[in-house]
Amino acid sequence: QVQLVQSGAEVKPPGSSVKVSCKASGNSYTINWVRQAPGRGLEWMGGIIPIFGGPSYAHNLQGRVTITADESTGTAYMEVSSLRSEDTAVYYCATTDNTTGWNYYLDVWGRGTTVTVSS
Amino acid sequence: DIVMTQSPDSLAVSLGERASINCKSSHSVLYSSNNRNYLAWYQQKPGQPPKLLIYWASARGSGVPDRFSGSGSGADFTLTISSLQAEDVAIYYCQQYYSTPYSFGQGTKLEIK
Repeated sequence: QVQLVQSGAEVKPPGSSVKVSCKASGNSYTINWVRQAPGRGLEWMGGIIPIFGGPSYAHNLQGRVTITADESTGTAYMEVSSLRSEDTAVYYCATTDNTTGWNYYLDVWGRGTTVTVSS
Repeated sequence: DIVMTQSPDSLAVSLGERASINCKSSHSVLYSSNNRNYLAWYQQKPGQPPKLLIYWASARGSGVPDRFSGSGSGADFTLTISSLQAEDVAIYYCQQYYSTPYSFGQGTKLEIK
């Protein structure tokens, strides 16, 4: 089964940027990003297929979130700029095993990266 | 964008009893060309990532006990736990993957009565 390995926790001041990585054991998987603020529900942020490029974004985050990928390493990156306190959350990457493309459920999840926005 | 609404927000059920959680989408998630409902259910326990329980509205994920079942079509769906076990205490989310941006329900907290 594919495994997703995420980068470590980050503490950032308001107004700065944070970049979180997610490495898959393969470059053909669709990497989705989902975040969860403390005590809140799940929010899909966007995703990318490293071998194809062309990310897709949630409308309310477009402009502040950038999703990229390194096809050679199968690593996806999610950057949030102009950080504010409401961006404090656990950021998960997730994908579908043995599948390339959009419109699939998420059966493999990373362990999550905690991002804290604090001065 | 498709909005997913779950009911109830919280639920308390006795051990061994049935638990049902509903999910409504603002747009049908049934793709007519393949007759598949693009609807999944996840279970999340504290400090853990979500775990896939049900996909295509009624198919059980790998290793998911058969007391979990999904039903419904179009825009109305139900997750049923036939006989509640202590380890089922969690928050449950539905999600549509019919179209991006994907969207989740607000979650239903399931507790033991």
